[in-house]
Amino acid sequence: DTEVTQTPKHLVMGMTNKKSLKCEQHMGHRAMYWYKQKAKKPPELMFVYSYEKLSINESVPSRFSPECPNSSLLNLHLHALQPEDSALYLCASSGVGAGNQPQHFGDGTRLSIL
Amino acid sequence: AQSVTQPDIHITVSEGASLELRCNYSYGATPYLFWYVQSPGQGLQLLLKYFSGDTLVQGIKGFEAEFKRSQSSFNLRKPSVHWSDAAEYFCAVGPSSNTGKLIFGQGTTLQVKP
Repeated sequence: DTEVTQTPKHLVMGMTNKKSLKCEQHMGHRAMYWYKQKAKKPPELMFVYSYEKLSINESVPSRFSPECPNSSLLNLHLHALQPEDSALYLCASSGVGAGNQPQHFGDGTRLSIL
Repeated sequence: AQSVTQPDIHITVSEGASLELRCNYSYGATPYLFWYVQSPGQGLQLLLKYFSGDTLVQGIKGFEAEFKRSQSSFNLRKPSVHWSDAAEYFCAVGPSSNTGKLIFGQGTTLQVKP
């Protein structure tokens, strides 16, 4: 059983739609992450939140908008996405500080852009 | 530049045979090293990690890895492979002073023959 829960598991949307991905963890972790993963490739870091504040944005296009409403929740708001944004979006959480790298990943949301 | 190399893109082993997946890294400081496994349709699961101390690290599912500083390697091993081990394996290295900045290798796909 995964300790990081992501919803929905699958999402199909048009390029003009607005949707959100949700991630939840109850392990007391204060760092949360969004990754994008294409087929047969490693995950690519998108955003990192530390103590509910955005600490890293890996030059992600503004059509992706992260939000961390509290220490257990992480959202990724999507708007006007492009077909190349179709991918598996993974959320992860960890403790904060040296050595506390992402250790707990959710099963991801598979996103398809029509 | 920081990098992780997994020389084997695809490996096939027979069930019950031993396994070694190679990982080489290039990193300026003392690295934190990780192995993750990803089964189809799932997120990444941490198999083991090395921060310091004993260079032979035991992980979950019967896996172990050995850190060799002189060779800049962190190879993953398992004495007897099970069909359920078929998956994608990622080696990753992280910095000692930043959260979330994992550098992943390109991954090795493991196929297990009956």
